[in-house]
Amino acid sequence: NAGVTQTPKFQVLKTGQSMTLQCAQDMNHEYMSWYRQDPGMGLRLIHYSVGAGITDQGEVPNGYNVSRSTTEDFPLRLLSAAPSQTSVYFCASSPRSLRGTEAFFGQGTRLTVV
Amino acid sequence: ILNVEQSPQSLHVQEGDSTNFTCSFPSSNFYALHWYRWETAKSPEALFVMTLNGDEKKKGRISATLNTKEGYSYLYIKGSQPEDSATYLCAFRVYMLTFGGGTRLMVKP
Repeated sequence: NAGVTQTPKFQVLKTGQSMTLQCAQDMNHEYMSWYRQDPGMGLRLIHYSVGAGITDQGEVPNGYNVSRSTTEDFPLRLLSAAPSQTSVYFCASSPRSLRGTEAFFGQGTRLTVV
Repeated sequence: ILNVEQSPQSLHVQEGDSTNFTCSFPSSNFYALHWYRWETAKSPEALFVMTLNGDEKKKGRISATLNTKEGYSYLYIKGSQPEDSATYLCAFRVYMLTFGGGTRLMVKP
């Protein structure tokens, strides 16, 4: 079972460059989300989606765009990379509105902006 | 922005010690409280999903309790082992998950 797949695992960008972090899940989950993890902090929500065609902002959305054209894919775009976006990024998916269900996470993307 | 807090931030224990951590969350509009275990260079993995006041869940040596009226959950590890070393995250679910800062546990052999 593939579960949630993130690519790439590591990336180094120069300030001002753009890139897309890919996330795909094969569990037919409606909910997908992107988090970033910084030292000393927990996971902070960037953007999320409750289904194809529907996205919304989380706690720290500035500098990032998302789209959800299919149930399976939820890419995260960095428009113009800044050193403050150096972080570890996690994609997660979960079934819709079932209180007892857990979220499943990808392996993470470690991004460094120089 | 929901306020989810975990304490302590880090904890060093000896192998065989029992330990516990705390997660506090908003007591109003409770939906679910999640606990995740996160090892370095891996992705977080769910330990427990708790939905009812008074819930107690157990998985091996790890257990958790939930008090939704006062807004806290405890995670207990009995007889800690070096392989328990990880960061333990709690997350409060209303729509998406709001995570606490985590408790980093280090178990010395």
